[in-house]
Order: sequence, then C-alpha cells, then structure tokens
Amino acid sequence: EVQLVESGGGLVQPGGSLRLSCVESGFNFRNHYMTWFRQAPGKGLEWVANINQDGSDKAYVESVKGRFTISRDNAKNSLYLQMSNLRGEDTAVYYCAGGQGWLTRYWGQGVLVTVSS
Amino acid sequence: DIVMTQSPDSLAVSLGERATINCKSSQTVLSSSNNKNYLAWYQRKPGQSPKLLISWASTRESGVPDRFSGGGSGTDFTLTISSVQAEDVAVYYCHHYHSSPLTFGGGTNVEIK
Repeated sequence: EVQLVESGGGLVQPGGSLRLSCVESGFNFRNHYMTWFRQAPGKGLEWVANINQDGSDKAYVESVKGRFTISRDNAKNSLYLQMSNLRGEDTAVYYCAGGQGWLTRYWGQGVLVTVSS
Repeated sequence: DIVMTQSPDSLAVSLGERATINCKSSQTVLSSSNNKNYLAWYQRKPGQSPKLLISWASTRESGVPDRFSGGGSGTDFTLTISSVQAEDVAVYYCHHYHSSPLTFGGGTNVEIK
C-alpha cells in the first residue's frame, strides 16, 4: 500500500521560510512524478508545483514562482518544498502527491502551514 | 489557464438513485497527439485526502466500484454514480492534467436525501 507522509508544517511569520518534506513508502518513488497541492481555508484544491522523476523538470503555479522550490532525493524516497518569503495567502494544508506523468494517483494526508504574525 | 466549472455545487440523492455531476473546461483537454482526454475525477470523504476514481475521462481505477462511470470529451464531462450508496457521501472534484497550471473544479457535495 502506498503511503506518503508529510512533515515540516507549522506557524511562520509573514516573510519567513519553511521546508516541507514528504517520505514515500509502498511504491517505486523514483519512477513517479511528484506534486505538491494545497487547500487554503474555505478554498478549493490548488496545484502548487511538480517535479519529474529525475528532478530535471519542474513547474510552478504563477503565485509561488521565485518563492518556492520543489526538489526530491530518490535515494531517500523523499520530496521537498522549500518555501520562502511566505505570505498570508500561502496559509493552507499542503499535500504531497504522486503518480504517472501529471496524473496524480496517490495523496498524503496533508500538513498545515499557517502564515501569521 | 484552463478553468474547470462543476455543476451542481451540491446534490442530494436518495439511496439507489442515479447521481450525475457535470464538469466543463474553458479549453479542450483532449490531446490531438494521442486522442486522450486529460481529465480525472476524485472523491474526497470527510477527513480524508482525495482518492482517484477515474482517469483519462472514462478509465475507472482498480478497485473502484463499477457504479462509478465517467464520460465526455473535449470540454464537457460527466461523472455518474448509477446507484448511490451511503458510502458515496463525499465531495467530488474534476481535475485536468493537460497543461500547466493544473486546475480543479470547485467540487460537488453529494449527500443522501
């Protein structure tokens, strides 16, 4: 059974930084495209970023370009999201997800990021 | 950006009845190179993460009951639950993975009447 477990969330002040991590077990991590999604309070699901199998291709939603960086370590079955210059509108539950190409099959349970002074 | 519009926002159905959810994309999600629709349906039960039900507009995932079916092509899609069961209470989302940015519909809340 596939398991994706996120960590690293918490409360951070506006302008601050946070690094989210996601560890996979139960499927062949290095063969899968990986994605971060988020859902802000009272809002819908939003794609944030994704990364291909070897980390050579990355894409971001416009609102996080230049502030967030997605990366992966296939040796550790891990996905990361480095978030900097955080804003109130980045407050959300962040989900790690994976699949084939841009089709997402598996989701983690999510981790809460709160940006507030 | 491709905007995904779902209707209705909410749907109350009696047990055993049919439920139909509509999803319209602002641009085609049909690829001319492989003739595939890059459209998925997810089910999200309270307190859980989304679960993939349907990919490529009409391909049911392994283990998904056959009362769930997806249809449509291009810009207009439907998710049908042929005979709603109590365990189908959830929010259903359509989602395109055709091009960046990937986007979701606003969700349809299915409840039992």
